[in-house]
Amino acid sequence: EAQVTQNPRYLITVTGKKLTVTCSQNMNHEYMSWYRQDPGLGLRQIYYSMNVEVTDKGDVPEGYKVSRKEKRNFPLILESPSPNQTSLYFCASSLSQRARNEQFFGPGTRLTVL
Amino acid sequence: QQQVKQSPQSLIVQKGGISIINCAYENTAFDYFPWYQQFPGKGPALLIAIRPDVSEKKEGRFTISFNKSAKQFSLHIMDSQPGDSATYFCAATPGRGAGGTSYGKLTFGQGTILTVHP
Repeated sequence: EAQVTQNPRYLITVTGKKLTVTCSQNMNHEYMSWYRQDPGLGLRQIYYSMNVEVTDKGDVPEGYKVSRKEKRNFPLILESPSPNQTSLYFCASSLSQRARNEQFFGPGTRLTVL
Repeated sequence: QQQVKQSPQSLIVQKGGISIINCAYENTAFDYFPWYQQFPGKGPALLIAIRPDVSEKKEGRFTISFNKSAKQFSLHIMDSQPGDSATYFCAATPGRGAGGTSYGKLTFGQGTILTVHP
């Protein structure tokens, strides 16, 4: 089944404790993104990757890191999480950066930083 | 700065009624306008999309109306059903003419929580 998977689905952590949220897709997609969803703000792009070893900042990159060493995986790293990073996170992938390619979203990771 | 403004924030409709969600944008480089549907506990999924060279696109009970001069577009759900209860996001993306890394980047509206009562 074609899908985007994320782990963990739920995470409660404390301020300053490094964490990684994994994302994997099995569709051989080139383009991958991370979004955060907050009430009243919609989905905002954190980072994106156009292909292996090619990553760039989205609209809200502060406090996050990413890497793209393999085409299928795009982990999101919070080196020193803070309470304002409490949010619902989504990974997404699409065939390429091309404007009309459908983006496929993972099931989400709900993160709480105490 | 919210480049795509969506309203209302929430909407309650009776079964069989029409649900209407509106979006407005400023960036004239946007040239593709998808709508995503998100059920509780799930990620968003593409519902329907429109290009700016057409004024309306219909897929079953879902219709997008597009007004290029007003820079507005809307989603109409006819004969709304309880199963349509979800959060709806409009989005916009620049075309190739925008150049660089903007091309293909999705900008989302704030979302509308739709509840359809039986």
